[in-house]
Amino acid sequence: DAGVIQSPRHEVTEMGQEVTLRCKPISGHDYLFWYRQTMMRGLELLIYFNNNVPIDDSGMPEDRFSAKMPNASFSTLKIQPSEPRDSAVYFCASSLAYGGQGAGELFFGEGSRLTVL
Amino acid sequence: RKEVEQDPGPFNVPEGATVAFNCTYSNSASQSFFWYRQDCRKEPKLLMSVYSSGNEDGRFTAQLNRASQYISLLIRDSKLSDSATYLCVVNRNTGGFKTIFGAGTRLFVKA
Repeated sequence: DAGVIQSPRHEVTEMGQEVTLRCKPISGHDYLFWYRQTMMRGLELLIYFNNNVPIDDSGMPEDRFSAKMPNASFSTLKIQPSEPRDSAVYFCASSLAYGGQGAGELFFGEGSRLTVL
Repeated sequence: RKEVEQDPGPFNVPEGATVAFNCTYSNSASQSFFWYRQDCRKEPKLLMSVYSSGNEDGRFTAQLNRASQYISLLIRDSKLSDSATYLCVVNRNTGGFKTIFGAGTRLFVKA
């Protein structure tokens, strides 16, 4: 079975450019998460969706970041304009069950490594 | 203070050694607990859930102490392939449901 699929795997861009990261969750998973990982801050939750609806976007750093989930099989995370401090690995994850005592496993994609020069 | 704290390590141990990692969490409303493993330049993957009664999966044993808000992971008979970063993960439901990852503990197992 296909896991969570992210693209691009690597992106190098210049400050001020728009960056779009893409994610396809595991089929049937109702929850989709975007995380950012850096050496300094570890893994940080940016936003998560349930049935394509954003539930918690309190981790989105600022207005330069936006995320959408137009359907159950696709999500994007956009940074516009990008800045050097946005350099990080961005992970998408999906889950079948979430919230409550029976919260399920998060399945992560391989990540998108972003470098902003 | 971080909500989930771990000793960053690194822990350098020889093959066959027993090694233990600890993790503390600050939110007493935390509901469920996990250990994830992350290999270098890879994504995190679930290693095991942590249950109140403690649980074992082969060479790995996880313990939870709710009173002390403390989680542990014990690895027996370490293998070279155990070299990775181990992430302590806590789910809590205050101000919305959230999964909080610790910064991870790095383990190097040497031949």
